[in-house]
Amino acid sequence: GDSVTQMEGPVTLSEEAFLTINCTYTATGYPSLFWYVQYPGEGLQLLLKATKADDKGSNKGFEATYRKETTSFHLEKGSVQVSDSAVYFCALSDGGATNKLIFGTGTLLAVQP
Amino acid sequence: GAVVSQHPSRVICKSGTSVKIECRSLDFQATTMFWYRQFPKQSLMLMATSNEGSKATYEQGVEKDKFLINHASLTLSTLTVTSAHPEDSSFYICSGGGVAQNEQFFGPGTRLTVL
Repeated sequence: GDSVTQMEGPVTLSEEAFLTINCTYTATGYPSLFWYVQYPGEGLQLLLKATKADDKGSNKGFEATYRKETTSFHLEKGSVQVSDSAVYFCALSDGGATNKLIFGTGTLLAVQP
Repeated sequence: GAVVSQHPSRVICKSGTSVKIECRSLDFQATTMFWYRQFPKQSLMLMATSNEGSKATYEQGVEKDKFLINHASLTLSTLTVTSAHPEDSSFYICSGGGVAQNEQFFGPGTRLTVL
């Protein structure tokens, strides 16, 4: 079945460092891809999404490009801040009738001042 | 963006009792609601999908009789953990299907601790 694999954390960076969190997927169809963020003590929030190959999702300085050839959707940010510390989840939806989301295991990002 | 609330945010109960968790979409109509379970340092595992007015569809391995889901209206779904045991202790999260294609809006979660 469909699945999502993302790099294990925690990822610890200094403020203003470059961030990459890898995400690859396996899907039989043409899924939509998402990054969700979960700040401490809060629920998941949609960070960005891409619905077709070569689309780039972006929000709050974060970017991810839907790469069909490598089945990847890596999350990047050029300069992280302490406030970016959170757990990041990569997810896919096969776009079926129920719009089910399949999540990766999550990556904890800790940004130090 | 669309807002989903959950109540309670935290509950502690004794083993053998039942606990009900409410999930409400505050400013949109959620024809589909999803219930997830999240273990510490792990991902969200989908438990069931419910459509308003019909029976929930449970994922493989989820006990239907233990986790009762009711989706009585377009803005309210409830999850009842019946005869809870310590192994049911977890973080339960709901989400509602939004108007945008393939988008779900998540509640803040409910921390259940069964003693």
